[in-house]
Amino acid sequence: GENVGLHLPTLSVQEGDNSIINCAYSNSASDYFIWYKQESGKGPQFIIDIRSNMDKRQGQRVTVLLNKTVKHLSLQIAATQPGDSAVYFCAESWRGAAGNKLTFGGGTRVLVKP
Amino acid sequence: EAQVTQNPRYLITVTGKKLTVTCSQNMNHEYMSWYRQDPGLGLRQIYYSMNVEVTDKGDVPEGYKVSRKEKRNFPLILESPSPNQTSLYFCASSLSPPGLSSYEQYFGPGTRLTVT
Repeated sequence: GENVGLHLPTLSVQEGDNSIINCAYSNSASDYFIWYKQESGKGPQFIIDIRSNMDKRQGQRVTVLLNKTVKHLSLQIAATQPGDSAVYFCAESWRGAAGNKLTFGGGTRVLVKP
Repeated sequence: EAQVTQNPRYLITVTGKKLTVTCSQNMNHEYMSWYRQDPGLGLRQIYYSMNVEVTDKGDVPEGYKVSRKEKRNFPLILESPSPNQTSLYFCASSLSPPGLSSYEQYFGPGTRLTVT
């Protein structure tokens, strides 16, 4: 979105390097986690997900790591490209009284330098 | 093309003038949500719908209404908009609720609403 980048932590990465984006989640009962990518002027886009019974999941150029002990989630992007410049959000899901709930983190802006 | 569409994309209105933001998906998804996105606060869920005629409040439902009369449409209604509802709004849909199988949530392009 246009000004959703205000107040966001920013990660500057050289093109071709690997990126690591971190996320601390809040609810120890969360059992499902998602990473989203949001490019300027667009809606969030699903990247990869992971369930709490796993600690690692790989996709195309992306890897998500989950550490339930410290409630930490990370997204690794291999060989970062200019098209990876965006805001990245993590989200956690848990089973609430009214059904499954989903809460988003604040986001991290990734800037890829050529 | 599988997509979620929202209209309008941009809207400037005045306090108290009722408005509706439409949302439509062509993927036969059962689960639909509305979110607002504000700087420093991230995405917050307003309302969600598990299926036709089944809706429930999210985290910030005050001042909003929704309806789900058809599977594909999930309009967001602001009966009496106020300036604190100035925000970027996203509609989203998925085959199932978060945490269940086949959960991949598709977002619309967003609606920028300004209430003066």
